[in-house]
Amino acid sequence: NAGVTQTPKFQVLKTGQSMTLQCAQDMNHNSMYWYRQDPGMGLRLIYYSASEGTTDKGEVPNGYNVSRLNKREFSLRLESAAPSQTSVYFCASSGPGGGSVIYTQYFGPGTRLTVL
Amino acid sequence: QKEVEQDPGPLSVPEGAIVSLNCTYSNSAFQYFMWYRQYSRKGPELLMYTYSSGNKEDGRFTAQVDKSSKYISLFIRDSQPSDSATYLCAMSGYGNKLVFGAGTILRVKS
Repeated sequence: NAGVTQTPKFQVLKTGQSMTLQCAQDMNHNSMYWYRQDPGMGLRLIYYSASEGTTDKGEVPNGYNVSRLNKREFSLRLESAAPSQTSVYFCASSGPGGGSVIYTQYFGPGTRLTVL
Repeated sequence: QKEVEQDPGPLSVPEGAIVSLNCTYSNSAFQYFMWYRQYSRKGPELLMYTYSSGNKEDGRFTAQVDKSSKYISLFIRDSQPSDSATYLCAMSGYGNKLVFGAGTILRVKS
């Protein structure tokens, strides 16, 4: 049981380049989330998917797009990266399903992204 | 004003001390309260979870929620160097979205 996995672990982009961050969970959770974490700012929600087939904007969605590919996978895309998107990105998922407590979120290990 | 306020620290204590970490919030709709621990360069991991007001104990950790004051606390007894991490409070109402505090950096000195 791997929990929440994210790829890649590290990435360096040039301004204007695009990339997709991948996330997968094996806990049979309905909901999945993408956050960014910056020093002194805590975790800020970018997008979330309450269930397969639905996505909604969070607190800081500008410059990002998401795809809920299936129940397991939720990807985050940066179409034209900017230095302000330099951050650590975390994916999370929450139940019900898999014996987890509803409303608690389980996090992946993160992707460290630098945009030059 | 942020929905959830948390003192960023850093908080530095000697090994064996009792640690108190706190968050205040403004949204009276919050019903679910969590504490996450995040080690350096790792993802947050769920530490404690409580529903509504009251106390919950798990080993050296005690979580308290006072909804009347909109105040939550995490106490760590007999703190250890391995407790050195960032502690994030998080809370939600009846939806799935969590609102996080900025996190408190804790350093336990041996």
